Amino acid sequence: SQKIEQNSEALNIQEGKTATLTCNYTNYSPAYLQWYRQDPGRGPVFLLLIRENEKEKRKERLKVTFDTTLKQSLFHITASQPADSATYLCALLTSGTYKYIFGTGTRLKVLA
Amino acid sequence: DVKVTQSSRYLVKRTGEKVFLECVQDMDHENMFWYRQDPGLGLRLIYFSYDVKMKEKGDIPEGYSVSREKKERFSLILESASTNQTSMYLCATPARGGNQPQHFGDGTRLSIL
Repeated sequence: SQKIEQNSEALNIQEGKTATLTCNYTNYSPAYLQWYRQDPGRGPVFLLLIRENEKEKRKERLKVTFDTTLKQSLFHITASQPADSATYLCALLTSGTYKYIFGTGTRLKVLA
Repeated sequence: DVKVTQSSRYLVKRTGEKVFLECVQDMDHENMFWYRQDPGLGLRLIYFSYDVKMKEKGDIPEGYSVSREKKERFSLILESASTNQTSMYLCATPARGGNQPQHFGDGTRLSIL
């Protein structure tokens, strides 16, 4: 069956360290993979998109990698800050469809 | 700046009531989506619309219907609300093309008593 998985346990890290979040999928061939940030009581906010033929994408302190062989995307936040504390969602889109499939999200807490 | 507005942040209704959730976007996008978000289950697609008066069922359409009479407005209707429809409801709209981000509203937290 098709599945997209993110670590459901919260991730606690010290300020200044690099946070790494994982998104694994099975039985999909995504054309695009997106990462979102969601704060409590708010809607998700788009952060980064990576295409199936891209290995890595960067935006300021954020980096996303995409390994279609391992069926995995990693999301990195370098020099993390308490303001980065939130839930991070991955979403994938297969070509020829409108439907995005979301992971359940990983809650990140950056400790001062 | 892009804007997706959901009519209510919090809503409390009774079992059996007909409930309307409204979503308005100012981006002139064809595509609009309704999701519900539950702990441990993530975002699940209820319905989406790819043009005015066009709609398609998502993964969990049972108990819901939608209306898209104008491009900017997409309404989710709970025909006869039940307690298992208590959830956070999120509206989203991407531009056309898979490489476009989705813009979400802030959600409606709906409680059915």
